[in-house]
Amino acid sequence: EVQLVESGGGLVKPGGSLRLSCAASGFTFSSYSMNWVRQAPGKGLEWVSSISSSSSYIYYADSVKGRFTISRDNAKNSLYLQMNSLRAEDTAVYYCARAADGNLYDAFDIWGQGTMVTVSS
Amino acid sequence: DIVMTQSPDSLAVSLGERATINCKSSQSVLYSSNNKNYLAWYQQKPGQPPKLLIYWASTRESGVPDRFSGSGSGTDFTLTISSLQAEDVAVYYCQQYYSTPLFTFGPGTKVDIK
Repeated sequence: EVQLVESGGGLVKPGGSLRLSCAASGFTFSSYSMNWVRQAPGKGLEWVSSISSSSSYIYYADSVKGRFTISRDNAKNSLYLQMNSLRAEDTAVYYCARAADGNLYDAFDIWGQGTMVTVSS
Repeated sequence: DIVMTQSPDSLAVSLGERATINCKSSQSVLYSSNNKNYLAWYQQKPGQPPKLLIYWASTRESGVPDRFSGSGSGTDFTLTISSLQAEDVAVYYCQQYYSTPLFTFGPGTKVDIK
């Protein structure tokens, strides 16, 4: 079964750091671009970051640029999001999502269940 | 930056009736080299992650009921649910994956039963 499972969320103080992980299974992870999307409580979807299959191309939303770092370990079938200098407005459910045909410019066909990040003092 | 808008914000439709959601992009998402519209539609039910319904503006994802259809090109797109079922109650999002900032989502349209 094709599956993505996020972990690493939790409660963190403003200015703190957190590292999210996304474990992939059931498909050849190294062949697919991957993405992070977040959703603040009661709000819509916001794309956060994307990484190509070989990590050659990496993109960030302006709202997280300079604070978040996306990375992947194809040997471990894992995607990561290092989040630094966290702010209250980063509070959201964070989803990892697969690019449908592997390319960076693709719809997202597989999503994880999400992990909640709460930034509060 | 490409901005996505959706209309209406919400709609209530009787069971078995048609539901139509509109999505507009601030710039064309049609790539002339391959004649593809980089536009997707997602369905999100409460407490669940989004589910891909339509990609390339009109291609239905495997397993999606054929009552869901997508149309449009360039900057104007439509998601149609031809005969609304109870399980279709959800929020629907359009998304462009044509340009940076990559993968902008629309604000969402909530669909309820009348």
